Amino acid sequence: GESVGLHLPTLSVQEGDNSIINCAYSNSASDYFIWYKQESGKGPQFIIDIRSNMDKRQGQRVTVLLNKTVKHLSLQIAATQPGDSAVYFCAVRGGGTSYGKLTFGQGTILTVHP
Amino acid sequence: GAVVSQHPSWVICKSGTSVKIECRSLDFQATTMFWYRQFPKQSLMLMATSNEGSKATYEQGVEKDKFLINHASLTLSTLTVTSAHPEDSSFYICSARRRGHSTDTQYFGPGTRLTVL
Repeated sequence: GESVGLHLPTLSVQEGDNSIINCAYSNSASDYFIWYKQESGKGPQFIIDIRSNMDKRQGQRVTVLLNKTVKHLSLQIAATQPGDSAVYFCAVRGGGTSYGKLTFGQGTILTVHP
Repeated sequence: GAVVSQHPSWVICKSGTSVKIECRSLDFQATTMFWYRQFPKQSLMLMATSNEGSKATYEQGVEKDKFLINHASLTLSTLTVTSAHPEDSSFYICSARRRGHSTDTQYFGPGTRLTVL
């Protein structure tokens, strides 16, 4: 079955630094990938997504990189701010019989120090 | 646009009672709604997928008789936790897929914190 994991469960950075959060997935048929931010006691908030026919996508201060060869996904946050402190999840849309369902990774706690 | 609400935002109940959680799409019609459960410091786990007017599809290991899901309209899905026990205490989150739009996007609600005493 699908499994999604993260390399770093916690990440602590200084304000202004760049942050990189990683995610590995197992299903090579996965075709859609999303990063979510979740603040304490709230639902996930969409950050950025990427489809399997792309390897890079940029948003405002965020970049998602997709390496399908090694089934790896990363989220880069530029000039990290204290307001970026939250838990970040990658989510993967499965293929085959799991199509349409999202599988969430473990989550990385990002702490930004002023 | 594309706002999903949940009610209540938190609930405390006694063991053995049933609790109903509502998920509403406020400004769009939702063909599909998803229910997730999240334990403290853990990830979201999909419990079931609910399509308007049909029975919900439950994930493996989720008891359908314990977690009753009703998707009676294009804007409302409910999750009823029957005979709740302390181990059911969790953060329940719904999401909705917007009718007529890309099937890629799920819009998430703010979650409901359930505490069973």
